Parts: sequence; structure tokens; C-alpha cells
Amino acid sequence: TQLLEQSPQFLSIQEGENLTVYCNSSSVFSSLQWYRQEPGEGPVLLVTVVTGGEVKKLKRLTFQFGDARKDSSLHITAAQTGDTGLYLCAGATGNQFYFGTGTSLTVIP
Amino acid sequence: KAGVTQTPRYLIKTRGQQVTLSCSPISGHRSVSWYQQTPGQGLQFLFEYFSETQRNKGNFPGRFSGRQFSNSRSEMNVSTLELGDSALYLCASSLVTPLNEQFFGPGTRLTVL
Repeated sequence: TQLLEQSPQFLSIQEGENLTVYCNSSSVFSSLQWYRQEPGEGPVLLVTVVTGGEVKKLKRLTFQFGDARKDSSLHITAAQTGDTGLYLCAGATGNQFYFGTGTSLTVIP
Repeated sequence: KAGVTQTPRYLIKTRGQQVTLSCSPISGHRSVSWYQQTPGQGLQFLFEYFSETQRNKGNFPGRFSGRQFSNSRSEMNVSTLELGDSALYLCASSLVTPLNEQFFGPGTRLTVL
């Protein structure tokens, strides 16, 4: 049973398009993180959100934490080939992180 | 500052064998967490060590164990390997707690034949 469900599971888009990845749960999290993982490497932390309703921007990436702290979204504007990778959300509850199912993004030039 | 290193990077074992994986955290980091990543189950938490003590544990059988040394380096051991243990094993280090920020190593790819 996965605490965090991500959608879509796979996404293939053209360079320059916009996209949104969703991370949903029925559980409340004290904080939520987004990671990007490239083949042959470990995940790299992109952002941590801790407050319900919080929005953080990292260049072309916009992260939002749901008001109830149960869900989050990642929006990428004008995708680039360098954005290709596996995007993972991870929610903290208690003393553990639970990772989402992952969204594999391919940006086609 | 050097990142998290894991050795070996690739490993092939047969069913019934045991394996030990090693993780060296970033200098000064005292928390080390281990994760298993598979295509079917995604990234799942194994356990976390802090100051040589297991602080948190995921829902894995007792065949999976770990330890941490005084220099914060950590090892995990899997005994009586099963085919389903084939996975990428990732180690992550944090200053004090992974809840703030954790840095992942490149992982060890274990294949069980």
C-alpha cells in the first residue's frame, strides 16, 4: 500500500510545453519534499514545503503544498530536455519519509 | 565537500547468499538512512541510524539489518537472499534528521540470480 500516489506515472512532452505532476494522499504530512532522480544516480532534493497552502518557486518549477497538507503539485513551465527524469514526492509523518510512486518525465527536443 | 559514497556500485549474488553494502555519509552528517528502490514498489524506507543507534525502522523482514560505526559510516546486510531482493539500494545522509534535508548516494545495484 502506497501512502502517496503520483500522477501521471509517465509523461512525455515536447520541449517548451508546460506540465503538472500531482502527489496525493489521504494522510497528513508534517512536510513534503520533491526529488528528481536521473538514471544511475540517487534522488536529488528539489524543495521542501512545510506549511499548508505554501507555494515555492525554483526557476521554472513551482511547488504547492495543499491546504490540508495531504497533497502537493509540481508545475514546470517551458520544459527543457534537462528536466527529463523521475520525479518523486516524499511526505514526512512521524519520523519517517514515505515516497510516492514516481512520475517519469521525458522531454523531447 | 565529498558527497555520499556507496560501495560496491554493482553486485551479483545467488539465492541464499548474504550481502553487505557500505555507505559513507557526507563529513559531519550523523544520520544515515537506507532505502530500497524497485520498479514495482518504488522507493521504500528500510531503516535510519543516528549516532550508532537504529532510530527508525521500516516494514522489512529481519533478514535486512544494518549498523552504524562511530565515524558515521554505515553498512546494511541482507541474509538469505531472495530473487525479490534485487533492487537499487540507496543510502542517504543528513546532519541530524532526514526530515530537514537528506543527500542520497548513487546506490548499489543488487541482482539476485
